[in-house]
Amino acid sequence: RKEVEQDPGPFNVPEGATVAFNCTYSNSASQSFFWYRQDCRKEPKLLMSVYSSGNEDGRFTAQLNRASQYISLLIRDSKLSDSATYLCVVILNTGNQFYFGTGTSLTVIP
Amino acid sequence: GEEVAQTPKHLVRGEGQKAKLYCAPIKGHSYVFWYQQVLKNEFKFLISFQNENVFDETGMPKERFSAKCLPNSPCSLEIQATKLEDSAVYFCASSQGDEKLFFGSGTQLSVL
Repeated sequence: RKEVEQDPGPFNVPEGATVAFNCTYSNSASQSFFWYRQDCRKEPKLLMSVYSSGNEDGRFTAQLNRASQYISLLIRDSKLSDSATYLCVVILNTGNQFYFGTGTSLTVIP
Repeated sequence: GEEVAQTPKHLVRGEGQKAKLYCAPIKGHSYVFWYQQVLKNEFKFLISFQNENVFDETGMPKERFSAKCLPNSPCSLEIQATKLEDSAVYFCASSQGDEKLFFGSGTQLSVL
């Protein structure tokens, strides 16, 4: 079983729409969670960390549900520039073991 | 350096040839990670180092893949006798152990 699972999509949404992605993880000992963004096969870049209390950064909201072992990313008022692949990343409690999901592809359509 | 430097950007090899990829982590970062990303977007962990020591090699195909991080040299990932399915983008990342990963721009390996 994979450590991290994501729906690969693709998600095709119109500009201005709200879209949400989920990611599940298998190891209950996982301690840290992140969303990375990857554009067109370039290097992934950190989008935001995910905290138990939930956190928001502009149009982006990330949440963690430890009981059900999933994290989510909500994008409001989608922009064309949001088109990318969003990767869910989990760190196990041993630290410095980063596990990536397969990524969810988002295309925002004019 | 201020960024993770990967070389070369592109590498073309015939089946059976050797491929060697290089990665210079950010100065001061003690952890180095190698990932393989094939066309379907799966980001596969290969190996990680803490300084010169292998930290986790659970993702490494043992038969043809090897990696090193030696003092005062870029880290390297070597594939002996490449196969078609080795075609992928190989990303290197470094960390100073604080859960933040910084990626290089990757090496596109094409095996023909």
